[in-house]
Amino acid sequence: AQKVTQAQTEISVVEKEDVTLDCVYETRDTTYYLFWYKQPPSGELVFLIRRNSFDEQNEISGRYSWNFQKSTSSFNFTITASQVVDSAVYFCALSATAQGGSEKLVFGKGTKLTVNP
Amino acid sequence: NAGVTQTPKFRILKIGQSMTLQCTQDMNHNYMYWYRQDPGMGLKLIYYSVGAGITDKGEVPNGYNVSRSTTEDFPLRLELAAPSQTSVYFCASSMRTGNGYTFGSGTRLTVV
Repeated sequence: AQKVTQAQTEISVVEKEDVTLDCVYETRDTTYYLFWYKQPPSGELVFLIRRNSFDEQNEISGRYSWNFQKSTSSFNFTITASQVVDSAVYFCALSATAQGGSEKLVFGKGTKLTVNP
Repeated sequence: NAGVTQTPKFRILKIGQSMTLQCTQDMNHNYMYWYRQDPGMGLKLIYYSVGAGITDKGEVPNGYNVSRSTTEDFPLRLELAAPSQTSVYFCASSMRTGNGYTFGSGTRLTVV
């Protein structure tokens, strides 16, 4: 069965520090997708990135970057020069094949990031 | 474009009461999902649907029921509320595999 592990329950940093959120996954599917979502204190879930299993290129979007390594089944997320607005719970998720060829997402337990001024 | 709309946003139920959490999407997505979020536990799948008339159980379906009579609507029914169902409930939809989800804003339910 698919599984996502986010070993860091909570992380606290000071503004402008870099921080990496770890995500390790387990799946037997050869084709799958990985996602990161952000949940700010207001509670909504915000999509950040999607990566398919055939694309191991790292991605950078502003202060955010993602490192996908199939060899270690990891999809880590780094925030450079963190800001107070980055404070949120971050979820890593893995797609799993579901009924009728659809997919469902399996989520990790989340990492709560607090960025202090 | 409203996306995924959930109602109500908050609700307090007494043990044994019933209620329906509403979810509507206007993006013509085939796939719809219900998750619950408990503190420190991430999101767990309750039920999902791949189209009108087709539903399937997720990881934690006990105590819940769903129906999907139209593409737009995917209500979640709690028949006999229990304190263990106190949680935040998220509805989501997806157009196709690999696209990820669009989430609703959530329903915070407390059972006392």
